[in-house]
Amino acid sequence: NAGVTQTPKFQVLKTGQSMTLQCAQDMNHEYMSWYRQDPGMGLRLIHYSVGAGITDQGEVPNGYNVSRSTTEDFPLRLLSAAPSQTSVYFCASSPNLGTLNSPLHFGNGTRLTVT
Amino acid sequence: AQSVAQPEDQVNVAEGNPLTVKCTYSVSGNPYLFWYVQYPNRGLQFLLKYITGDNLVKGSYGFEAEFNKSQTSFHLKKPSALVSDSALYFCAASRGSTLGRLYFGRGTQLTVWP
Repeated sequence: NAGVTQTPKFQVLKTGQSMTLQCAQDMNHEYMSWYRQDPGMGLRLIHYSVGAGITDQGEVPNGYNVSRSTTEDFPLRLLSAAPSQTSVYFCASSPNLGTLNSPLHFGNGTRLTVT
Repeated sequence: AQSVAQPEDQVNVAEGNPLTVKCTYSVSGNPYLFWYVQYPNRGLQFLLKYITGDNLVKGSYGFEAEFNKSQTSFHLKKPSALVSDSALYFCAASRGSTLGRLYFGRGTQLTVWP
């Protein structure tokens, strides 16, 4: 049981490049989400999904796309990277579909630098 | 707007002394409250939660938290700190009626010195 797996661990991009951050979970969790962590700002929600085929925006969705074609996978796409997207990105999942009274399970993060 | 505040960026405490990490929330309705811990280069790990019931909840590694509705607070406590407790701590809240959103505080760096 691997939990939540994020790849890659580190990535450097040039401004304007695109890339996909991968997230997979093997716990059959319906709820998955993406956060970014910036110093002094805590974690901010980018996008989330409550099941395959269903996604919604969080606090800071601009510049990011998501899709959820399977229960296991929830990739995050950067369409045209900008230096402001330099951050640590965390994927998290939860077994609880609705009201999040179950804790989130986090991956170990992807550290992204955009130059 | 919904929000969670952790008023201290840093808390320093000597090993063996009690520790408190403060959290206040502004979330409408009856919130669900959580504490998470983050060690360097790792994701967040769940410590404890308050959903309903007893205001004092106990969690992992000897931590506990006290829910105070009148003060809208959910402070994290431990009677006797260990050096290994040094980490970044996050308070989080979700609004029961709001699907899919968990609001995080900015985090408090706890340092326990020997």
